[in-house]
Amino acid sequence: DIQMTQSPSSMSVSLGDTVTITCRASQDVGIYVNWFQQKPGKSPRRMIYRATNLADGVPSRFSGSRSGSDYSLTISSLESEDVADYHCLQYDEYPYTFGAGTKLELK
Amino acid sequence: EVQLQQSGAELVRPGTSVKLSCKVSGDTITAYYMHFVKQRPGQGLEWIGRIDPEDDSTKYAEKFKNKATLTADTSSNTAYLKLSSLTSEDTATYFCTVWTRFAYWGQGTLVTVSS
Repeated sequence: DIQMTQSPSSMSVSLGDTVTITCRASQDVGIYVNWFQQKPGKSPRRMIYRATNLADGVPSRFSGSRSGSDYSLTISSLESEDVADYHCLQYDEYPYTFGAGTKLELK
Repeated sequence: EVQLQQSGAELVRPGTSVKLSCKVSGDTITAYYMHFVKQRPGQGLEWIGRIDPEDDSTKYAEKFKNKATLTADTSSNTAYLKLSSLTSEDTATYFCTVWTRFAYWGQGTLVTVSS
């Protein structure tokens, strides 16, 4: 199975920060990476699809990038509503696999 | 707008089975692969598997092959996840979701396994 190694597992952040979360794929997954945001007690929400594409309705301060097998989600100028858990997912090959998640917490 | 409506919370005994439902409204279920995802309390997301309601073909993560069974009923536009031989490790919220041009998620079903 493809492993998605996500880092960091948690991050203490301040409003206005630029935040970057990374997933490293254990083998080539091409562009087939999604990023999801999840708030407590809620269903996940897709933020980025195909590694770099902003999902509908997602603020432009979110962006996705790829460098080799490393996939990153960047939040520019963090707002309070962005404090949440974030999960990456590879869907290039079955079984699909998620990263372990990143929890953003306010300082 | 497509909506996924999942069945209500379940409290089940160890060793038994439970069948969860996910009803699609706003479109036909055959337009999508339906995925199911597990989330244990305070933990990350795990992909369980997916079903193609068009032909009932399925894919599963290895660890769920003897635990989960996915089915679909096109007449009621509903997908199902059956979990068998339940243990405390199965206590979790289970989501159904589709990922196409848009991504839709159900609200989740909490399954609690306890005697």
